[in-house]
Order: sequence, then C-alpha cells, then structure tokens
Amino acid sequence: KQEVTQIPAALSVPEGENLVLNCSFTDSAIYNLQWFRQDPGKGLTSLLLIQSSQREQTSGRLNASLDKSSGRSTLYIAASQPGDSATYLCAGNNAGNMLTFGGGTRLMVKP
Amino acid sequence: NAGVTQTPKFRILKIGQSMTLQCAQDMNHNYMYWYRQDPGMGLKLIYYSVGAGITDKGEVPNGYNVSRSTTEDFPLRLELAAPSQTSVYFCASRGRGDSYEQYFGPGTRLTVT
Repeated sequence: KQEVTQIPAALSVPEGENLVLNCSFTDSAIYNLQWFRQDPGKGLTSLLLIQSSQREQTSGRLNASLDKSSGRSTLYIAASQPGDSATYLCAGNNAGNMLTFGGGTRLMVKP
Repeated sequence: NAGVTQTPKFRILKIGQSMTLQCAQDMNHNYMYWYRQDPGMGLKLIYYSVGAGITDKGEVPNGYNVSRSTTEDFPLRLELAAPSQTSVYFCASRGRGDSYEQYFGPGTRLTVT
C-alpha cells in the first residue's frame, strides 16, 4: 500500500527566499505524482504533474522533480512571495484511479 | 466550462440524519472521485466511478453510498450521519487521457453534531 509523507508539516520563510518542499513515497511503482496548492477553506489547485517517465516539470517559479528510485519528489519555489502562502499537497498515483495524498506542508511567506 | 461543481458549500447535520452531497462536471470526464479531508490531513478516497453505472470503493467507504446514472453527476449519500463524518468533502474528475490528472471541486464542509 502506497504511503506518502510530507516533511515539514509547516514552514515559515522570509519573502524572497528560495525554498524546497519535500514529498516521499513508499511504492516506487508510481504512475505519476501531482503537486497541489490549497488555500484556507478552499479546494485544490493543481500545480504540476510529473509522469513516471519524467524527471521534472516547471511552471513559472515552480519546479517539481521526481526520483522514483529514492521514493522522493521535491517542489522548488523560487523567490517566494507572500502570495505563495498556502498548504502544498503532493499525491502519488499508482493504479490510475487512486491518488494517495501526503498530509501537506503549510507554508507561510512573511513580507 | 464550470469544471467540477459541488453543492452545498456548507451543511450542519444532526447525528442520525441523512443527506446527499452533489457533484457535477461539464468536461465529459468518465472518471469521478469522492475524497474526504480531515483537519490537518491529506485527502482520502471514499468512492470512485469509471463511467456511468460503474462505481467502486476507495480507502474509506464505510457509511457512504454513491451512484452514477449519468456521466455528469456523481452524488455521495450519507446515511445515519455520525460525528466521525465531520470533514470536508471533495469531488474530482479526470478524462481518459494519459496524464491521469484529476480536477477538483471547491468542496463541501460538513459538520455532524
């Protein structure tokens, strides 16, 4: 059974800092891995999806990597802004029909 | 496209009451999902459907039922609500493409007291 872990659970950084959010998974037979953003009281917004055949995906200031052999994915945020404050969730897809979510990292970027 | 829509946004139920959470999508997606998110936690899959008339259990199906009579709609039924079902419920859908990317609705916040 796939298990997904995100550490740390919370992170506070000053504006402008580059930061890395970590996601680890136990089953390397992963089909893809998806990163989401969730604002308080809101739904999930998909940020990046990395297929198992890919090593990374980029969108603007965001870069996500996937290393199946080590069971890790990272989300890199460049030049963080207060508007980046949110909870970031990663989810692994092993069987096509079930996403297994991590507990999320709650990010606060201070002006 | 409205994407994935959910109603209601909020609901308070008494223990033992029943209700149906509505989910609809206008993207002609075959696959639809129901998740629940408990405070400070990730999402867990309740039920999913691969097409009209076909549903299957996810990780936490007890206390819930679903039906899928049309491609667009995927309602989630709670029978005999319990405090343990206090949660935020998210519906999601995806198409048949290779990416398997799921698109989420805004959620329904349910409190059972």
